[in-house]
Amino acid sequence: DIQMTQSPSSLSASVGDRVTITCRASQSIRSYLNWYQQKPGKAPKLLIYAASSLQSGVPSTFSGSGSGTDFTLTISSLQPEDFATYYCQQSYSTPETFGQGTKLEIK
Amino acid sequence: EVQLVESGGGLVQPGGSLRLSCEASGFTFSSYWMSWVRQAPGKGLEWVANIKEDGSEKYYVDSVKGRFTISRDNAKNSLYLQMNSLRAEDTAVYYCVSRSRGSSGFRWDYWGQGTLVTVSS
Repeated sequence: DIQMTQSPSSLSASVGDRVTITCRASQSIRSYLNWYQQKPGKAPKLLIYAASSLQSGVPSTFSGSGSGTDFTLTISSLQPEDFATYYCQQSYSTPETFGQGTKLEIK
Repeated sequence: EVQLVESGGGLVQPGGSLRLSCEASGFTFSSYWMSWVRQAPGKGLEWVANIKEDGSEKYYVDSVKGRFTISRDNAKNSLYLQMNSLRAEDTAVYYCVSRSRGSSGFRWDYWGQGTLVTVSS
């Protein structure tokens, strides 16, 4: 199975900050990497697919990059509604696996 | 508007069975792979099972193989998960998710609200 490791596990930031979350795969997954946002008590929401493609309706403050084993999710200017938990997920091979999550909290 | 509405969750004893259902609307259900993804209380996300558009291919995470069965009825726009021999570690919110194919793999683009399954005596 491909292991996905996110860092950091938690992060405190302020509104307006630029934030970067990293995801590393245990082997190359090319660009088969998706990012999701989850708020408490809610279902996850797709933000970025294929490593860098923005899902329809997602603000352009979100961006993704990377290929192979190393990927990043960047929020260019944090908004109050962005405080949530973020997950990366590989779709390269079955079982499709998620990172452990990064909880983004208000400083 | 895409809607996925799960039902069938609840409290069940270890070793028991439960059948989850998901009713889809707002998209051409028969044209999409579908999945179940679960989340144990306070934990991360875990993929459970996938099913192809016509039901001809099914895939499961190892921990549920032989116990869970994913199925669909395209005439009813519905997805199902039959769960047998339930264990305490199956306790989770189960999400019904649509699975879109792209040039760089699949993505889970629409999620239901989830249904809670609790396995406890």
